[in-house]
Amino acid sequence: AQSVTQPDIHITVSEGASLELRCNYSYGATPYLFWYVQSPGQGLQLLLKYFSGDTLVQGIKGFEAEFKRSQSSFNLRKPSVHWSDAAEYFCAVARNSGGYQKVTFGTGTKLQVIP
Amino acid sequence: KAGVTQTPRYLIKTRGQQVTLSCSPISGHRSVSWYQQTPGQGLQFLFEYFSETQRNKGNFPGRFSGRQFSNSRSEMNVSTLELGDSALYLCASSSVGGRGNEQFFGPGTRLTVL
Repeated sequence: AQSVTQPDIHITVSEGASLELRCNYSYGATPYLFWYVQSPGQGLQLLLKYFSGDTLVQGIKGFEAEFKRSQSSFNLRKPSVHWSDAAEYFCAVARNSGGYQKVTFGTGTKLQVIP
Repeated sequence: KAGVTQTPRYLIKTRGQQVTLSCSPISGHRSVSWYQQTPGQGLQFLFEYFSETQRNKGNFPGRFSGRQFSNSRSEMNVSTLELGDSALYLCASSSVGGRGNEQFFGPGTRLTVL
C-alpha cells in the first residue's frame, strides 16, 4: 500500500527566508506525486505535480519540488517566502489501480510566516 | 471555466439526522472524488465516482454513501449523523480519473453535528 509522510506538523519561517517542506512516500513503482496548498476555509489548490521526466518540477507561486527516488522524497521548496504563503501544505501520492488512480494524502504541514 | 462548486458551504445538524451534500464538477470532468478532512485524521478518501459508477471506496461505514448523475454532478449522503462526522467535506473533480490526472478541489462543505 502507498503512504505519504510529512514529518513536520508546523513550520515557522521569517518572510523572505527560504523554505523546504519535507515529504517522503512509500510506493513500489514510480509514483505520481503532488503538492497542494490549502488556505484557511478553502479547498486544496495544486501547486505542482511530478509524473516522469525531469526530477525538478516548477510550480505556481514560485514553488518547486525535487523528486529523489533514492530517498523516496519529494520536498517542496521556495527561495523566498511571502506572508501570503502562510497556509497548510499537503503532499500526495497517486497510483493506478484497476485503470484509475488512488490518491493518498499526507497529514499536512502548517506554515506560519513571521515578519 | 467555472471551478468545482459545493453546496451548501455550511451545515449544522444534530445527531441522528441525515445530510446530503452536493458537488458540481468542472465542466467536462467525469470523475468526482469525496474526502473528509478533520484536524485529527487529516484528509481521508471517501469514494470516487466516474460516469455514474462508484469506482473506488475508502474505509468508511455504510452510513456514508454517494451517487453521481448523468451530468457528472455528485451527491454524498450521511445518515444517522454522529458527533464525529463533523468535518470539512471536500469534493474534487478530474478530467479522466486515471493516470495521475490532477484533481481540482471545491471549497468544501463545513458540517457541524451537535
